[in-house]
Amino acid sequence: NAGVTQTPKFRVLKTGQSMTLLCAQDMNHEYMYWYRQDPGMGLRLIHYSVGEGTTAKGEVPDGYNVSRLKKQNFLLGLESAAPSQTSVYFCASSGLRNEQFFGPGTRLTVL
Amino acid sequence: GESVGLHLPTLSVQEGDNSIINCAYSNSASDYFIWYKQESGKGPQFIIDIRSNMDKRQGQRVTVLLNKTVKHLSLQIAATQPGDSAVYFCAETRSGGGADGLTFGKGTHLIIQP
Repeated sequence: NAGVTQTPKFRVLKTGQSMTLLCAQDMNHEYMYWYRQDPGMGLRLIHYSVGEGTTAKGEVPDGYNVSRLKKQNFLLGLESAAPSQTSVYFCASSGLRNEQFFGPGTRLTVL
Repeated sequence: GESVGLHLPTLSVQEGDNSIINCAYSNSASDYFIWYKQESGKGPQFIIDIRSNMDKRQGQRVTVLLNKTVKHLSLQIAATQPGDSAVYFCAETRSGGGADGLTFGKGTHLIIQP
């Protein structure tokens, strides 16, 4: 059981470039989430999904898009990266109990 | 807007002592609370949770207390060890079925003195 995995672990982008972060979970969880964490801050919810084919906006959705084509995968896309999107991104998944399991994070720097 | 917050950004304790980390929340509709531990360079790790129909829950060396009257949550760690050094976050959600994301506080950095 790998739990929640994220790809890539690190990435440096130039302003205006695009990229996709991949999250995968092998726990058969219905719910998946994307958070960002900025220095000295707690995590803030970007987007989430309550099931395959569904997505919803969280607290800070602007500049991001997501897709959940398969139950085990949740993709986070940045169409035109901005320096304000420099952050550490965490994916999480949960079953019906609400307890969320987190991945190891992706550290993104936008120059 | 409503949010979850913590009283202290840093807490320093002696190894072997008990630690108490506090959290205040403002959303009276919150019904599920979780404490997470985050070590440097890693994702948050679940420690313990509690639902709003409970006042206290115990785990291995950890206890969570919930006071709904004053919207206060605390995490007690018994016999603190060096491995307990980390940032601790409280988080809350209003949903009962896991559909919503969590709202996190800013975190308390627990430092263990030898």
